[in-house]
Amino acid sequence: QVQLQESGPGLVKPSQTLSLTCAVSGTSITSGGYYWNWIRQHPGKGLEWIGYILFSGSTIYNPSLKSRVTISLDTSKNHISLKLSSVTAADTAMYYCAKDLGAHVDTYGMDVWGQGTTVTVSS
Amino acid sequence: DIQMTQAPSSVSASVGDRVTITCRASKDVANRLVWYQQKPGKVPKLLIYAASTLQSGVPSRFSGSGSGTDFTLTISSLQPEDFATYYCQQADSFPRTFGQGTKLEIK
Repeated sequence: QVQLQESGPGLVKPSQTLSLTCAVSGTSITSGGYYWNWIRQHPGKGLEWIGYILFSGSTIYNPSLKSRVTISLDTSKNHISLKLSSVTAADTAMYYCAKDLGAHVDTYGMDVWGQGTTVTVSS
Repeated sequence: DIQMTQAPSSVSASVGDRVTITCRASKDVANRLVWYQQKPGKVPKLLIYAASTLQSGVPSRFSGSGSGTDFTLTISSLQPEDFATYYCQQADSFPRTFGQGTKLEIK
């Protein structure tokens, strides 16, 4: 059974870089053929897709965040990382990692989600 | 970006009622439409993918339909555990986008 667990600092200062990790268990992030997503949810608001990384390491980002986002794989730890630079208060949100349902298919939505980690941007 | 618009934004209903939520895409997404359920303080749960395919373990009272730009999620007989917020998401093009959510409340 695939499980995801996000971790990272809960508080980040404005203009700094937010760094989060998603620990994956139950499957290898490179051999399962899955797509690994980051999504965020502002307090009391809806869901915003940040981007995803393929098992091959290729990435696709939301253009609204593209200049500030980096998603990468750490195969030694079976982790997925998210970095978001130059953060502002508008980046305060719950951040989730999530796995796409289908192997080698990215049109079926996300079936496994981490519990999420809350990030507050404040000085 | 493809804009996803859900209606209504909120709805009140009673246990046993039939409820329908609609989702409209600003461009044709074929059947690449996903529905999620999110309860307060919880993680989104995948209900339906490919517009009408029920995810494993999801009760059969949930159903989805539609293609192109217009989609519906129907709950045939509401149960107490169904009161939540529902989101649609298009999986046709990038960036992936979600509807604003429909909050289903107890009447």
